[in-house]
Amino acid sequence: DGGITQSPKYLFRKEGQNVTLSCEQNLNHDAMYWYRQDPGQGLRLIYYSQIVNDFQKGDIAEGYSVSREKKESFPLTVTSAQKNPTAFYLCASSTRGLAPYTDTQYFGPGTRLTVL
Amino acid sequence: AQTVTQSQPEMSVQEAETVTLSCTYDTSESDYYLFWYKQPPSRQMILVIRQEAYKQQNATENRFSVNFQKAAKSFSLKISDSQLGDAAMYFCAYRKFQDMRFGAGTRLTVKP
Repeated sequence: DGGITQSPKYLFRKEGQNVTLSCEQNLNHDAMYWYRQDPGQGLRLIYYSQIVNDFQKGDIAEGYSVSREKKESFPLTVTSAQKNPTAFYLCASSTRGLAPYTDTQYFGPGTRLTVL
Repeated sequence: AQTVTQSQPEMSVQEAETVTLSCTYDTSESDYYLFWYKQPPSRQMILVIRQEAYKQQNATENRFSVNFQKAAKSFSLKISDSQLGDAAMYFCAYRKFQDMRFGAGTRLTVKP
């Protein structure tokens, strides 16, 4: 089945450690995104990538890094510079779309990151 | 920056009844997309319905329909014949190119 997978489902990190969240899609989508969700808030964009080997910062990129070496994969690293990383992280993908119309984003099941 | 506002943190509806969730947004653009996503307890974000701003006709998907008022920048979601499985957080979202903005969500409870 086509879809987006994220792993792990739950992740625990000690302060000062970097951790990497996995996101894989087999929808043949060009664009991929990472969002953060905190309680009582909507999703906020961390990074996005419209094509392999290219990515742009979103609204809250500080303390995070990404790579896009393959079309199917868009891993997110939460670095020790991120001061409050405990949150729910969602990955999404979409077709790239033609301006000004962009296609629907489809989401993975998410990763819950907790800093101990 | 575009903002999306959902003024109802929580809503409740009786099973089989109709409920309307409100959403307003702020933009200076004329062409864009609007979406409603559902997030059940599993936390998987599921697309409910979408609306292209250039279309005057309101989108419908089975029991879900929207009331899109472009001039008022309003995009409400109507759920008819509510079912227990409709209980979830509902997020309104705006998108223009790669700029995607979400509201804070409305938690919908369905009473049997």
